Amino acid sequence: AQSVTQPDIHITVSEGASLELRCNYSYGATPYLFWYVQSPGQGLQLLLKYFSGDTLVQGIKGFEAEFKRSQSSFNLRKPSVHWSDAAEYFCAVGASYNFNKFYFGSGTKLNVKP
Amino acid sequence: GAGVSQSPSNKVTEKGKDVELRCDPISGHTALYWYRQSLGQGLEFLIYFQGNSAPDKSGLPSDRFSAERTGGSVSTLTIQRTQQEDSAVYLCASSLKGAGEQYFGPGTRLTVT
Repeated sequence: AQSVTQPDIHITVSEGASLELRCNYSYGATPYLFWYVQSPGQGLQLLLKYFSGDTLVQGIKGFEAEFKRSQSSFNLRKPSVHWSDAAEYFCAVGASYNFNKFYFGSGTKLNVKP
Repeated sequence: GAGVSQSPSNKVTEKGKDVELRCDPISGHTALYWYRQSLGQGLEFLIYFQGNSAPDKSGLPSDRFSAERTGGSVSTLTIQRTQQEDSAVYLCASSLKGAGEQYFGPGTRLTVT
């Protein structure tokens, strides 16, 4: 069965430190992968997506993610975290090329210490 | 431009009553999605529309849930005979056909008492 796992429910990092949020997926076909961010009181916003090609993708707000097929992972990274990055982050897999279904992870809540 | 809007933003209802949740997608977006987000949970996919058609309704949690879309635009999610376990935030998203990138609305917080 298709699924997305985000192993870390909460993560706390200091401002200026690096960040890596983990995402593992289980999907039989070519995965279409996404990271979304949900800030307090805000709707979900797309950070980045991977469909094909270069396995390191750049997104908005200085985020990047790397697709590793051998590990079924799509981890999100940022070299230096800002206080405004405190939010909840969701990894998602699109079920097929026509995007008729998506599977979301349970989210990772990021706290940023001053 | 206008984003995805949802109404109402909050709804409190008594157990057993019916509720209707509305979603106005971005103009020109033919794909529309409904999700349910329970406290501390990820997003649970409910249903997808391409135009007015929903090819797969298997994501709806029970036959108390139904959804429709008219004119390729506004969509309504209806929950009949609400139960306490229906309490959640219901999110709507829209997308250009085949684009994959979803634009989410602010959600409707449903509380069943």
